[in-house]
Amino acid sequence: QSALTQPASVSGSPGQSITITCTGTSSDVGAYNYVSWFQQYPGKAPKLIIYEVSKRPSGLSNRFSASKSDNTASLTISGLQAEDEADYYCTSYTSSSTWVFGGGTKVTVL
Amino acid sequence: QVQVVESGGGVVQPGRSLRLSCAVSGFTFSRYGMHWVRQAPGKGLEWVAAISDSAKQIYYADSVKDRFTISKDKSKNMVYLQMNSLTNEDTAVYFCARDLRDSWSFDYWGQGTPVTVSS
Repeated sequence: QSALTQPASVSGSPGQSITITCTGTSSDVGAYNYVSWFQQYPGKAPKLIIYEVSKRPSGLSNRFSASKSDNTASLTISGLQAEDEADYYCTSYTSSSTWVFGGGTKVTVL
Repeated sequence: QVQVVESGGGVVQPGRSLRLSCAVSGFTFSRYGMHWVRQAPGKGLEWVAAISDSAKQIYYADSVKDRFTISKDKSKNMVYLQMNSLTNEDTAVYFCARDLRDSWSFDYWGQGTPVTVSS
């Protein structure tokens, strides 16, 4: 199972919006609405920020939104803040009853 | 509140074995599946293994199949990962995570336990 494809890095200025893409195949991202996104700070555990393509866990900022089209999922962070500087990972359930992660995207707030 | 705490990591020689433990609390353990996810130094996340709430369904990544075994002890609220025939490529921080029911995701994570495979 190959990893999902994410850009290595994305940057933006405070207040701007950025979008991170996550491209898979018809056996994972394209097959199910079970795409999740995680935020991870250095040395810390990942934190769930999006599940089932576009749902936010209770209490999570609505600055995070997500969607999916065919084999590509996207995470948008609006009103970029310094605290958003972190690594972001997508993951999808697959037709092999396994899970696959993307390679991760480092978000830099300029 | 939900707590997930891993233990058992350490330094081990190639070819040897190690068992990781994951203690959970704050929720009805018998109703949730659990996962192990690892992260090699400076690298991304890699899903390793999953066990269903009943322990009847178990799944592994190809990279660890036939070497790693996931299990759970409902009486102790514990999840285990038995790792055999370890190689340098297994060096990573290993995270235990709770399955988000019916959503095929992971909602609560532990802080991880580091495993270093080196001679």
